Amino acid sequence: AQSVAQPEDQVNVAEGNPLTVKCTYSVSGNPYLFWYVQYPNRGLQFLLKYITGDNLVKGSYGFEAEFNKSQTSFHLKKPSALVSDSALYFCAVRDPSGNTPLVFGKGTRLSVIA
Amino acid sequence: IAGITQAPTSQILAAGRRMTLRCTQDMRHNAMYWYRQDLGLGLRLIHYSNTAGTTGKGEVPDGYSVSRANTDDFPLTLASAVPSQTSVYFCASSAATGYPGYTFGSGTRLTVV
Repeated sequence: AQSVAQPEDQVNVAEGNPLTVKCTYSVSGNPYLFWYVQYPNRGLQFLLKYITGDNLVKGSYGFEAEFNKSQTSFHLKKPSALVSDSALYFCAVRDPSGNTPLVFGKGTRLSVIA
Repeated sequence: IAGITQAPTSQILAAGRRMTLRCTQDMRHNAMYWYRQDLGLGLRLIHYSNTAGTTGKGEVPDGYSVSRANTDDFPLTLASAVPSQTSVYFCASSAATGYPGYTFGSGTRLTVV
């Protein structure tokens, strides 16, 4: 069965600094990988996905993620953090071989400090 | 604006009562899902539906039931609510199961007392 791990419950970064939110996955075969963001009292919003192709995926709001098959990782990155990026971030995975829903990680809370 | 509508927004419910959370989408998505979000546990799948007329169990289905009579609606029913079902419930949909991306509703905050 597929799974994802987000090893950090909380990430703090100063505004203007680069940010990284970590995610590792476990799935048989080549995964479909996703990042979602949740702002307070809102549903999750799609940020980006990796299906196939270039390992560096660009998404909404200046975010990007790098797929690393050897390390089974899909870390979310942004070159320069904004205070408005403060939110809860979820990594998710889907096994492409089956007709199955996404499995989400437990989430990482990002705080960007001015 | 196309999307998902969940109702109610919030509810306080007495233990033992029956409750149906409503979810409607207008995107003609085939797949729909119910997740619950709890602090420290992230999002856990309750039930899902690959297409109208079919449903499947997720990670935490006990105490919940769903139906998918048509493409647009996917109600979640708690037959006899218990305090451990206090949570925020999110409905989501996607064009195909798990792909390409989910659209989420704004959630229902349920408190069982």
